[in-house]
Amino acid sequence: GAVVSQHPSWVICKSGTSVKIECRSLDFQATTMFWYRQFPKQSLMLMATSNEGSKATYEQGVEKDKFLINHASLTLSTLTVTSAHPEDSSFYICSARDFLANQQSYEQYFGPGTRLTVT
Amino acid sequence: AQSVTQLGSHVSVSEGALVLLRCNYSSSVPPYLFWYVQYPNQGLQLLLKYTTGATLVKGINGFEAEFKKSETSFHLTKPSAHMSDAAEYFCAACESSASKIIFGSGTRLSIRP
Repeated sequence: GAVVSQHPSWVICKSGTSVKIECRSLDFQATTMFWYRQFPKQSLMLMATSNEGSKATYEQGVEKDKFLINHASLTLSTLTVTSAHPEDSSFYICSARDFLANQQSYEQYFGPGTRLTVT
Repeated sequence: AQSVTQLGSHVSVSEGALVLLRCNYSSSVPPYLFWYVQYPNQGLQLLLKYTTGATLVKGINGFEAEFKKSETSFHLTKPSAHMSDAAEYFCAACESSASKIIFGSGTRLSIRP
């Protein structure tokens, strides 16, 4: 199956700094990628939908100026957490959507996640 | 708006016993339905999915789920639990393959020796 990678797999940063997380589709092109956040022992909450070459669509309650999303190519989307604070510590998971021509439908593949700890 | 409800945040069964994890959805249209498993500090692994056709869906690791439109349910079952099944399980849904996926709150499955 298709593979989605994330880098880094974990990161520790100091409060006030910015952190960039990369999401790559390794063997397919993804015009759409999704970013989720998962707090400990909770479910995945969709943060935003990232479309290649256009602005991301953010879910209600997600600060677009704090969570900057860039989808500059068909295989890479980045999430930058700006001026990170301890409450931003979470597990961030991306997914990438592939169009399966033989099925005429989309399939979504998830990355392994990035653990962010802000001290 | 579409939503997914998982009954029971924690389920504990004995090794070899039946596993039943419950999931109900609300949707204005027949949804696509998924079950994912997540091991600690890892991403999601797709267990199975329902799109159209046969309502009983077989997945990996011996799991299966049945789509019941009349009950708006998509419960996950496995006849005999293994210790390796201990993990967090998420039910999810989307209105079409192009739609965003909405997740349930998750159910932690524990297996007693």
